[in-house]
Amino acid sequence: QSALTQPRSVSGSPGQSVTISCTGTSNDVGAYNYVSWYQQHPGKAPKLMIYDVTKRPSGVPDRFSGSKSDNTASLTISGLQPEDETDYYCCSYAASHSYVFGTGTKVTVL
Amino acid sequence: EVQLVESGGGLVKPGGSLRLSCAASGFSFTNYNMNWVRQAPGKGLEWVSSFSSNNGNRYYADSVKGRFTISRDNAKNSLYLQMNSLRDEDTAVYYCARGGCSGGVCLLPDFFDYWGQGTLVTVSS
Repeated sequence: QSALTQPRSVSGSPGQSVTISCTGTSNDVGAYNYVSWYQQHPGKAPKLMIYDVTKRPSGVPDRFSGSKSDNTASLTISGLQPEDETDYYCCSYAASHSYVFGTGTKVTVL
Repeated sequence: EVQLVESGGGLVKPGGSLRLSCAASGFSFTNYNMNWVRQAPGKGLEWVSSFSSNNGNRYYADSVKGRFTISRDNAKNSLYLQMNSLRDEDTAVYYCARGGCSGGVCLLPDFFDYWGQGTLVTVSS
């Protein structure tokens, strides 16, 4: 199972919007609505930001949103804040009772 | 408050074994699918294994199948990962993660909603 493809980095100024793509196949992202997104600060545990493609856990700011089209899922951060600067990973349930994570994207706030 | 605390990591030689533990608290452990996810130094996340709370089945990534065994002790609210025949490429921080489901009953989680701080496993001669 190959890792989902994410851009290595994206950047934006405070207040702007950035979108991170997560491209998989018809066996994972395209097949299931079980895409989740995780934020990970250096040396810390990942934190769930989006689940089931579009849902946001309680406590996650509403500037974080998710979507999916065919084999590509996306995470959008609207109104970028300095504290959003860190790494983000997507994850999808995949065939044969497994999960595949994305390659990871570093978000930089200019 | 949900808490997951991993332990058991350390330095081990190639071909050696190690057993990781994850102590859970703050939720009804019996009712949740539990999982291991790892992260090699400077690399991305990789799913390792899941233990279904509904059917008792265990699932593994191809990279660890036949070498790692996931288990749980519901009486002790604990999850384990027995790692045998360790290889250099198993070097990573190993995270214990609770599985979440948005539906009523799920054999495997839809997502991983709580994570421990991780325990480092280093495989090196």
